[in-house]
Amino acid sequence: GAVVSQHPSRVICKSGTSVKIECRSLDFQATTMFWYRQFPKQSLMLMATSNEGSKATYEQGVEKDKFLINHASLTLSTLTVTSAHPEDSSFYICSARDGLINQPQHFGDGTRLSIL
Amino acid sequence: RKEVEQDPGPFNVPEGATVAFNCTYSNSASQSFFWYRQDCRKEPKLLMSVYSSGNEDGRFTAQLNRASQYISLLIRDSKLSDSATYLCVVLAWNQFYFGTGTSLTVIP
Repeated sequence: GAVVSQHPSRVICKSGTSVKIECRSLDFQATTMFWYRQFPKQSLMLMATSNEGSKATYEQGVEKDKFLINHASLTLSTLTVTSAHPEDSSFYICSARDGLINQPQHFGDGTRLSIL
Repeated sequence: RKEVEQDPGPFNVPEGATVAFNCTYSNSASQSFFWYRQDCRKEPKLLMSVYSSGNEDGRFTAQLNRASQYISLLIRDSKLSDSATYLCVVLAWNQFYFGTGTSLTVIP
């Protein structure tokens, strides 16, 4: 089945650090990737939709200068949390789907980010 | 009104029981429907797509009722390993909408 790889799986760093998370589709080309964050015992919250070769579409309330998204190829999207603060600590999950209509999305393993 | 609504549970059932989850959606133009399972502190994993005619995969049966705009998931002969959160996901206008998830705990 479709595989999406996300790296790193765990990050612990000091406040003010910028953190980069990679999301790769391993066996299909993903024209669209999605970035979510999830707080404990809550549902996934869509942050942005990443489109290959164009600017990401951010959800209301998500700061695009804070969460930089780059989708430079059909297999890679990156999310950079700039100048991270403790309130940015969360579980970040990417997903991808291939270009076929009505296909499900497949999730990466997630990145658990802890800002001290 | 939320795009997708699910009963959050929790559902606590004994091993071997049959349990059913329902999910309703508000957009009549919704195109595709999925059930995902998410274990604690893990990413969601696709359990099954839901087809108009209903579909079955082993102990799992999914149904779609477009007229009433709901989908269901039936789990027969529950196993301890079925304990997880089950997410209802709807694809509409090329956007995915998630339910809040239904928590299931299967008890020995």
